[in-house]
Amino acid sequence: QQQVKQSPQSLIVQKGGISIINCAYENTAFDYFPWYQQFPGKGPALLIAIRPDVSEKKEGRFTISFNKSAKQFSLHIMDSQPGDSATYFCAASRVDNDMRFGAGTRLTVKP
Amino acid sequence: DSGVTQTPKHLITATGQRVTLRCSPRSGDLSVYWYQQSLDQGLQFLIQYYNGEERAKGNILERFSAQQFPDLHSELNLSSLELGDSALYFCASSVGQGYYNEQFFGPGTRLTVL
Repeated sequence: QQQVKQSPQSLIVQKGGISIINCAYENTAFDYFPWYQQFPGKGPALLIAIRPDVSEKKEGRFTISFNKSAKQFSLHIMDSQPGDSATYFCAASRVDNDMRFGAGTRLTVKP
Repeated sequence: DSGVTQTPKHLITATGQRVTLRCSPRSGDLSVYWYQQSLDQGLQFLIQYYNGEERAKGNILERFSAQQFPDLHSELNLSSLELGDSALYFCASSVGQGYYNEQFFGPGTRLTVL
């Protein structure tokens, strides 16, 4: 049962461009939305996270935009760099700690 | 390096067998989480332990079980293995038990069931 839908499946951007990954969730009980970055052969690592009481959170070149009414959130990577090439997962969690992940987006940043 | 260690790195076994995966959390972390990552199912939360007690359960099969020991390391036991159990198994740890605590993932154990 997919509770978090993520798109696109893959994304290619030029160095310096903006990468945008979108996610949508179904269960309104979710109230913590992290994004994870995973490099080949490594475990996921937390990139940035947001609670639904704010509509945007920015950390360096990474920004989460959150639309509670639409049950959607997105990750924006500004000034994308080749080192950002990785797989990105959105996730949604709730008080019972059951975290659900999107299917992942493979980002390639071309130099 | 997240500070979370997992052994073994790779495991190859046959259908019907039983295996044990081991995880040592970061120093000071009391919560341990187990996840399965496969091409079919993606990343799935299996189970969480906090200070030795089961805290949350996700999509964990009845053939799978876990425990957290007094020294806080954890083991995931997979029995009656099927081909579909082939996957990467990640352990993560966090300081607290709440869902908003940052989780630090280990490098994973790749399980291949032949």
